[in-house]
Parts: sequence; structure tokens; C-alpha cells
Amino acid sequence: DIQMTQSPASLSASLGETVTIECLASEDIYSNLAWYQQKPGKSPQLLIYDASSLQDGVPSRFSGSESGTQYSLEINSLQSEDAATYFCQQHHDYPYTFGAGTKLELK
Amino acid sequence: EVQLQQSGAELVRPGTSVKLSCKVSGDTITAYYMHFVKQRPGQGLEWIGRIDPEDDSTKYAEKFKNKATLTADTSSNTAYLKLSSLTSEDTATYFCTTGSYGYWGQGVMVTVSS
Repeated sequence: DIQMTQSPASLSASLGETVTIECLASEDIYSNLAWYQQKPGKSPQLLIYDASSLQDGVPSRFSGSESGTQYSLEINSLQSEDAATYFCQQHHDYPYTFGAGTKLELK
Repeated sequence: EVQLQQSGAELVRPGTSVKLSCKVSGDTITAYYMHFVKQRPGQGLEWIGRIDPEDDSTKYAEKFKNKATLTADTSSNTAYLKLSSLTSEDTATYFCTTGSYGYWGQGVMVTVSS
């Protein structure tokens, strides 16, 4: 199985700051990566697909990038509504595996 | 607008089975692979498997191969997840999703308790 190592597990940031969340794949996943945002009691929401494509309706302050097997989610100009848990998921090979999640807290 | 409507919360006894439904509206279910995801309370997301409603082909994560069964009914545009031999480890919220198309059900809480 492809392992997705996500970091950090949690982070705290202030309104207006920029944060980066990373996922390291255990092998090449050829950009087949999605980023999700999940708020308590809600379903995950797709933010980014194919590593860097912004899902319709998602604010442009969210962006995805890749470097080799390292994938990053950047959130610019943090807003209060960005407080949530973020997950990456590879969909290159079965089983589709998720990162462990990053809990983002706003100061 | 595509929507996924899941069945209601379940309280089930250990050792029994439960079948959860996920009805697609706004499009035909055959347009998507239907995936199911497990989330235990306060924990992360686990991919269970997926079904192609076009031909009923399935893929499962190894740990769910003897636990989960995915089926689909194209006449009702509905996918199903059956969980068998339930234990407390199966207490979780289960989501259906179309995967990278970005549609998710609201989730259904399954509680296994005697």
C-alpha cells in the first residue's frame, strides 16, 4: 500500500497568515492527489484535485503544489472559517490511502 | 446539482450485520465510481473500497475484505455498504463519495453496542 505521511499533525496560526501542510507519498503517485477540508460533524469537502487543480467554488487562497513525491497545500490569508482538519488522499493505486490529517487552529 | 443521500443512524448488536444506503440524485450513478470511507470518532479517514455501478466491479482495502460488501442498484441510483460480524471496532461514521468528483454523502453513524 502507498503510505501518505502528513505533517504537521496540528498547527496554530493567526488570521491573515499563510500556512503550508505537506504530504509525502511512499512512492510516485503521479500527481493523483486530493486535499480535503473537514469541519467537526461535517463531511469532507474537496479543495484540490490532481495535486494542484482548485475545485469549483473553493477560494483562491487555497493552492496545491508538488515536488517529487512531496505534496503541499498552502492556505494564504487565513480566515476564521479555515479552522478545520485537512487530509490528503492519493488516488493513484488501490487502496486509496489518506494522510493522518492536520488540525488547523486559528489563534 | 449532484447530491448523495445516506440512510439514517444505526444502533446494532455485536455479531450482526448492517446495510447502509447511498442514493445519488442529480445524475446517474453509473457516471461515478462510488467509494465508501470510514471515520471512527475523533480519528482520521479510512478508505474502505469502491464499486463501479456500470459493471459491479469492486476494489477493497485489505482490512475490509471480510468486513465490507459493496453493491449498487442502477434502477434506484443507489449504492450500498454491508458490514458484517460487527464489533465495537466498527463503531464509526461511514461516508459515501464519488471520489475526485468531490461529492460526499452526509455520513451515517453506526454504533455497535449490546
